[in-house]
Amino acid sequence: DGGITQSPKYLFRKEGQNVTLSCEQNLNHDAMYWYRQDPGQGLRLIYYSQIVNDFQKGDIAEGYSVSREKKESFPLTVTSAQKNPTAFYLCASSKWGASNTGELFFGEGSRLTVL
Amino acid sequence: GESVGLHLPTLSVQEGDNSIINCAYSNSASDYFIWYKQESGKGPQFIIDIRSNMDKRQGQRVTVLLNKTVKHLSLQIAATQPGDSAVYFCAENSNAGGTSYGKLTFGQGTILTVHP
Repeated sequence: DGGITQSPKYLFRKEGQNVTLSCEQNLNHDAMYWYRQDPGQGLRLIYYSQIVNDFQKGDIAEGYSVSREKKESFPLTVTSAQKNPTAFYLCASSKWGASNTGELFFGEGSRLTVL
Repeated sequence: GESVGLHLPTLSVQEGDNSIINCAYSNSASDYFIWYKQESGKGPQFIIDIRSNMDKRQGQRVTVLLNKTVKHLSLQIAATQPGDSAVYFCAENSNAGGTSYGKLTFGQGTILTVHP
């Protein structure tokens, strides 16, 4: 079945450590996204990528980095510069261009806790 | 900046009742709207969408209504079931600048609780 796989589902990190969250999709979608979700809030866009080897900052990119070396993969690194990294992180993908309706397909999320 | 928001953060209904979840948006250029359902600890799931050239769209047990005059969107769930309990988000895409990508702006979400 086609879909988006995020790993790990739960991750604990000590302060000062970088961590990388994995996101893989087999939907043949061009665009991929990372959102952050905090309790009582909607989803906020961290980074997005329209095509391989290209990505753009979203609304809250500070303290995060991404790469897009393959169409299927869009890993997110939460760096030590991110002051409040504890959150639920959601990866999504969508079609691009004329066929794009705007609908996002989401993974199951990764919950990061900083100890 | 533009935003999408919800009138009510929580909604409790009895099983079998109809539910109505509301959403206000401020970007008059918004041309595409989506409702997502998110169960605890999971990613959002698509429920139904509507384009700005429509006023109403129906799915299975769900209806989305769009009032562009007052920039209001609603999701109606018929015969609500306990399995409908979740957080519901509205989102909009303004397709700003002609760049056709799925950069959605999400509202805060409404918690729907269905009592048996």
